[in-house]
Amino acid sequence: EADIYQTPRYLVIGTGKKITLECSQTMGHDKMYWYQQDPGMELHLIHYSYGVNSTEKGDLSSESTVSRIRTEHFPLTLESARPSHTSQYLCASGQGSAVFFGQGTRLTVV
Amino acid sequence: SQKIEQNSEALNIQEGKTATLTCNYTNYSPAYLQWYRQDPGRGPVFLLLIRENEKEKRKERLKVTFDTTLKQSLFHITASQPADSATYLCALWGNNNDMRFGAGTRLTVKP
Repeated sequence: EADIYQTPRYLVIGTGKKITLECSQTMGHDKMYWYQQDPGMELHLIHYSYGVNSTEKGDLSSESTVSRIRTEHFPLTLESARPSHTSQYLCASGQGSAVFFGQGTRLTVV
Repeated sequence: SQKIEQNSEALNIQEGKTATLTCNYTNYSPAYLQWYRQDPGRGPVFLLLIRENEKEKRKERLKVTFDTTLKQSLFHITASQPADSATYLCALWGNNNDMRFGAGTRLTVKP
């Protein structure tokens, strides 16, 4: 089982703040992903990466950015948080066929 | 455009019965298809992968079939238990090596 860690687990923040959600994995996986998921709804791909210095946009990427300077680290940044960003954010990594998910960050923007 | 459709939003069955979930896809040519389980508030957990040249794959009480002509995968849980209650997602690699998931089927197994 892959070890993939997300911090914080829960975050409540005010509108307009800049926030960074952290994701780290210890398995040396090349591929990493960020998904957004509202309760009971489907996963939406935000960003993904094939490896160091590679980042690609998914479906909901316009309001966030990512970086991949190190293999194990794939942070997601929201430059200006809005109430519409309230959701759960899931990070995943994979090598080969399957992907493995972190516990998620539940973000509330007030 | 590429689509992954899981036909049933929710499925309720009695304990001991077989649950069958469907995943259909459009405009993919997948080398393999995957199934995941997701419990409320948690990330999906990988269950099974089936390759395009495999018709069927089994793991304990789980069975997956893959028909590339029909562009469909079926996921079966035999002798279902209340602990099997969860949302089950199918997943495919997109054309850009992006991992995409279906909307999921919420399975409830009643005692």
